[in-house]
Amino acid sequence: EIVLTQSPATLSLSPGERATLSCRASQSVSSYLAWYQEKPGQAPRLLIYDASNRATGIPARFSGSGSGTDFTLTISSLEPEDFAVYYCQQGNNWPLTFGGGTKVEIK
Amino acid sequence: EVQLVESGGGLVQPGRSLRLSCAASGFTFDDYVMHWVRRAPGKGLEWVSGISWNSGSIGYADSVKGRFTISRDNAKNSLYLQMNSLRAEDTALYYCAKDTRPNTFDFFDIWGPGTMVTVSS
Repeated sequence: EIVLTQSPATLSLSPGERATLSCRASQSVSSYLAWYQEKPGQAPRLLIYDASNRATGIPARFSGSGSGTDFTLTISSLEPEDFAVYYCQQGNNWPLTFGGGTKVEIK
Repeated sequence: EVQLVESGGGLVQPGRSLRLSCAASGFTFDDYVMHWVRRAPGKGLEWVSGISWNSGSIGYADSVKGRFTISRDNAKNSLYLQMNSLRAEDTALYYCAKDTRPNTFDFFDIWGPGTMVTVSS
């Protein structure tokens, strides 16, 4: 099973600041990595797939990069609605696995 | 509108069974792999199972293998999860989710609101 490790666990930032979230895989997943946003009481929302492709309707301030074992989700300028928990997920091997999540909170 | 709606959750005793259903609408159901994903209280997301369009490819998380069975009925645009020998650690919000592209088995672009399963005596 591929283990995904996200860091940091919590990121405390102010609106307008840049957020950089990391996801490291225990073995290569090529570019088969996605990022999701989860808010309380809501289902997760797909943000990025194939490491760098924005899903439909996702604002341009969200971007993804990386390949192999190291990946990054960047939010260029945090909006109030961006404070949430973010998960990475690999789609390269069964079982599909998620990282433990990074909480982006208001500083 | 693309929509997934789960049903069938509830309170069940350890060792008993429960069957979850997911009704899909707004897309060509039999073009897509479908999945179940869960989130236990206070924990992260866990992929549970996935099934290809023709049920020819099926995968399970190790934590549920041998106890849970995924199935689909393309004529009814429905996905199912038969859960047997339930344990306390199966307590979670269960989401039905659609794969992103036809015939791929990788990511989830549409999610239902979830159905809660509580396993407790």
